[in-house]
Amino acid sequence: EDKVVQSPLSLVVHEGDTVTLNCSYEVTNFRSLLWYKQEKKAPTFLFMLTSSGIEKKSGRLSSILDKKELFSILNITATQTGDSAIYLCAVGGDSGTYKYIFGTGTRLKVLA
Amino acid sequence: KAGVTQTPRYLIKTRGQQVTLSCSPISGHRSVSWYQQTPGQGLQFLFEYFSETQRNKGNFPGRFSGRQFSNSRSEMNVSTLELGDSALYLCASSLRASYNEQFFGPGTRLTVL
Repeated sequence: EDKVVQSPLSLVVHEGDTVTLNCSYEVTNFRSLLWYKQEKKAPTFLFMLTSSGIEKKSGRLSSILDKKELFSILNITATQTGDSAIYLCAVGGDSGTYKYIFGTGTRLKVLA
Repeated sequence: KAGVTQTPRYLIKTRGQQVTLSCSPISGHRSVSWYQQTPGQGLQFLFEYFSETQRNKGNFPGRFSGRQFSNSRSEMNVSTLELGDSALYLCASSLRASYNEQFFGPGTRLTVL
C-alpha cells in the first residue's frame, strides 16, 4: 500500500535555529513530491521535486529528493516565529490512478 | 492573478441532507482536485477533474461526487450526509492534469450535526 511518512510529528525550536523535516515514501511509480506549508487553512505550495539530488531553494527554505532511498528533506535555516506551521509532504504516484498521497505533517513551533 | 476561491467558506448541515461545494480555479488552470482534511486522517484525495472529465478518484463512497464546467469551475456534492463527513474540504487547481504544482483554495468547513 502506498504511504508517506513524515517525521518528526512535532518540533519546538527557538528563533535562529535550523530545522530539518523528513518525508519518506513508498509509492508505486513515483512521479513527484511536493512540500506545503499550512498555517491556518489552505496549504501554501513550497516546492515540487521530481529529480534526485537537485536542491530547490527559496530564501531560508531548501529541499532535496533522494529517489534511491525514497525520501526528501526540507531545511529551514535561521527560523523565525512566522515559520510556525504544519509542513505537509505529498507524493504523486501512478498505480493506474493518479493521486497525491499526503503525509500527516510535521507541526513546527518556533519560539521567540 | 486571483487565487483559488471556494464557496461557501462555512456550512452547517444535519445528517441525511446533501450539500454542494464550489471551487473556481486560478485563471488558466484546467485541473481541479478535491481533498478532505480531518484531524485524524489528514489530507485525503477525493477526485480530480480535467477538461470536464473526472480523471481520477480516491477511496470515497459514491455519496461523494463532482463535476467540472467548461469554464473549469468545479462543484463537489455529498449526499446523505453523515457525522463523519464533517471536515475541511479543500480544492486545488493546477495548470495541467497530474503531478503538477497544485495551489489550494481556502477551503469549506462543513459541520454535520
